[in-house]
Amino acid sequence: KQEVTQIPAALSVPEGENLVLNCSFTDSAIYNLQWFRQDPGKGLTSLLLIQSSQREQTSGRLNASLDKSSGRSTLYIAASQPGDSATYLCAVSSASKIIFGSGTRLSIRP
Amino acid sequence: DVKVTQSSRYLVKRTGEKVFLECVQDMDHENMFWYRQDPGLGLRLIYFSYDVKMKEKGDIPEGYSVSREKKERFSLILESASTNQTSMYLCASSGGQSNYEQYFGPGTRLTVT
Repeated sequence: KQEVTQIPAALSVPEGENLVLNCSFTDSAIYNLQWFRQDPGKGLTSLLLIQSSQREQTSGRLNASLDKSSGRSTLYIAASQPGDSATYLCAVSSASKIIFGSGTRLSIRP
Repeated sequence: DVKVTQSSRYLVKRTGEKVFLECVQDMDHENMFWYRQDPGLGLRLIYFSYDVKMKEKGDIPEGYSVSREKKERFSLILESASTNQTSMYLCASSGGQSNYEQYFGPGTRLTVT
């Protein structure tokens, strides 16, 4: 049974720092991995999707990597800004099932 | 841009009422999903649909039903609302079988009193 874990549950860093969010999964037989952002009381916004055949995807200040063999993905945020404060979730798709991690609540201090 | 809309942002209903939550997507996606999100429990899949008139139970279908009469619309029905169904409800859609990139609606915050 696929399990998706995000550690830490919360992270606070000063503005301008580069940071890495982690996502681990137990079953490497995945179709893709998706990173989302969620602001309080809102829906999920898709940030990046990495197909199982890919190693990384980039969008602006965000870079997501995927290592299926070790069951890990990271989301790198460069030059963090207060507007990046949100909860970040990863989700793994495999054989018609999509499993979400519980998220990392990120706070960027001005 | 993919757009997924939900009929209400906030909804307050009484125990025992029948509740309809509507979700519409405009990208001709085959797959549609209903989740609920609760603090400490994360996102849990209630029902999903791979095609018109098709539905599959997710992890927590009890107390819910769904309807998909048209490809773009997926409805979640609470036959008799209970207080433990107070939650944030999120609808999502995705394309073909080889691409499960999901797009979410803004969510409906349902309170059952």
